[in-house]
Amino acid sequence: GQQVMQIPQYQHVQEGEDFTTYCNSSTTLSNIQWYKQRPGGHPVFLIQLVKSGEVKKQKRLTFQFGEAKKNSSLHITATQTTDVGTYFCAGPTSTGNQFYFGTGTSLTVIP
Amino acid sequence: DAGVIQSPRHEVTEMGQEVTLRCKPISGHNSLFWYRQTMMRGLELLIYFNNNVPIDDSGMPEDRFSAKMPNASFSTLKIQPSEPRDSAVYFCASSFAYYTPKFNEQFFGPGTRLTVL
Repeated sequence: GQQVMQIPQYQHVQEGEDFTTYCNSSTTLSNIQWYKQRPGGHPVFLIQLVKSGEVKKQKRLTFQFGEAKKNSSLHITATQTTDVGTYFCAGPTSTGNQFYFGTGTSLTVIP
Repeated sequence: DAGVIQSPRHEVTEMGQEVTLRCKPISGHNSLFWYRQTMMRGLELLIYFNNNVPIDDSGMPEDRFSAKMPNASFSTLKIQPSEPRDSAVYFCASSFAYYTPKFNEQFFGPGTRLTVL
C-alpha cells in the first residue's frame, strides 16, 4: 500500500492566502525531500531536510521535518499565481533501499 | 548543461507491441531512476541504478518490464508486450550519490507520455 500520504489532495486558495500541505509516512525516513511539479511538467527539486525537527525557509516557503522523522510540512505564505502546481514530499526509508514519493497536493491559486 | 534527456517524448502504440524508452542522465551523475506517473497511482519508483548496477527493482510491475543501463550515459526501459494499463508518463531522473543507498536531489527529465491502445 501507499507508504507516504499527503493532505489535502487538492487546495484552492485566493492569491495572498497561506497554504500548507502535510506529509505522513508509515515508516521512518532518512531524509525528506520536496518537489514541485507544474501542470504538464516534471518534478523539480525544492529542498532536502535531514535532521529530526529541522526547519528550513526559502523566501515564502517554510519546510519542517518532524521529530520522529515520519512527517513533514510545507507552508507557503501569501501565495502567488506562480505557486500553482503539485507539491510532493519524498524520501528514503531508514531501513532499506526504498524511496517513496508522497501522493501530492495540487495547489490552485485564484487571482 | 542539457539536463536529463528522454526519448521519445510521446509514444502511441498498440497492445502487444514492444516499447523502448530511453534516457541519458546528467553527465557525472551516478544514480539513475525510472518512475511511472498516473492519476490513479501517482509517482511510482520502478527501478534505480547506482554506478550502472540495478539496486532496487521492487517497483517493476511485472516481467513485461525490464530496464538496463549498459553504461553511465544511457539507460532503457522496455515493455514487452505492452498493455493499455501501461499508459502513463514515464520519467527518468538522475542524481549523484557518494555511496549506496543514498538519495540526494534528483533531476528529472521531461518524461515520455506512453499511450497503449
